[in-house]
Amino acid sequence: AQTVTQSQPEMSVQEAETVTLSCTYDTSESDYYLFWYKQPPSRQMILVIRQEAYKQQNATENRFSVNFQKAAKSFSLKISDSQLGDAAMYFCAYREYGNKLVFGAGTILRVKS
Amino acid sequence: DAGVTQSPTHLIKTRGQQVTLRCSPKSGHDTVSWYQQALGQGPQFIFQYYEEEERQRGNFPDRFSGHQFPNYSSELNVNALLLGDSALYLCASSLQGAQEKLFFGSGTQLSVL
Repeated sequence: AQTVTQSQPEMSVQEAETVTLSCTYDTSESDYYLFWYKQPPSRQMILVIRQEAYKQQNATENRFSVNFQKAAKSFSLKISDSQLGDAAMYFCAYREYGNKLVFGAGTILRVKS
Repeated sequence: DAGVTQSPTHLIKTRGQQVTLRCSPKSGHDTVSWYQQALGQGPQFIFQYYEEEERQRGNFPDRFSGHQFPNYSSELNVNALLLGDSALYLCASSLQGAQEKLFFGSGTQLSVL
C-alpha cells in the first residue's frame, strides 16, 4: 500500500521568512497526483498546491512552490514570505488509484511575528 | 456558490449507539468521499460514492456504511459506536472526471463517551 511520510511534526518560521516542509511517499505507480493541504483551526482542508507526476516542472501558486523529485519520491513545500495566516497544520497527500487520497500525519507550522 | 456543507458540526454519542452524518456536495459535483481524522493524525479514507453506489472503500469495518441520494448528497452511518470512533469526519466532493479538484467540508466532530 502507498504510504506518505512527513518527518517534521512541527516547524516554526519568522514572519516574512521562508520555510520548507518535507514529504516523502512510496508508490510503484508512474502517474499520480500529489497534494499539499492546509488545515487551519476551522478544520476545513484547503488545497494549497497540486503536482501531476508526469509533469517535470515544479508547481507554483503565488508564495507556495514545491520541489518534486520523482526518482527520490520526495515532494517538499516551500512557503516564501511567510505570513501569520499561514499558521496551520499542513498535510501532504498522494492520490492513489481509484481516487482515494492517502495523507501523511501532518506538520504543524507556527509563524512568529 | 455554497461549498461542501456538513451537518451537524458537533455530536456527542455513547458507546453502542448509532449515528448519521450528512454532507451536501459543492454545486455541480457528483462524487462524495468520506474521511475519518483522529486527533493529531491525517485523514483516512472511508469510502467514496458515485451514482448512488459505493465505488471504493478503505480499511473500515462494516459498521461504517453510507448512502448517496439522487441529488448527490450523502450520509455516513456508523453503528455500534466505539470509543475509538471519536474523530473528525470530513466529507469531500468532486466531479468524477476531475478527482484532482477535491473540495472538503469543515467536518463533523464526533465524540463517543
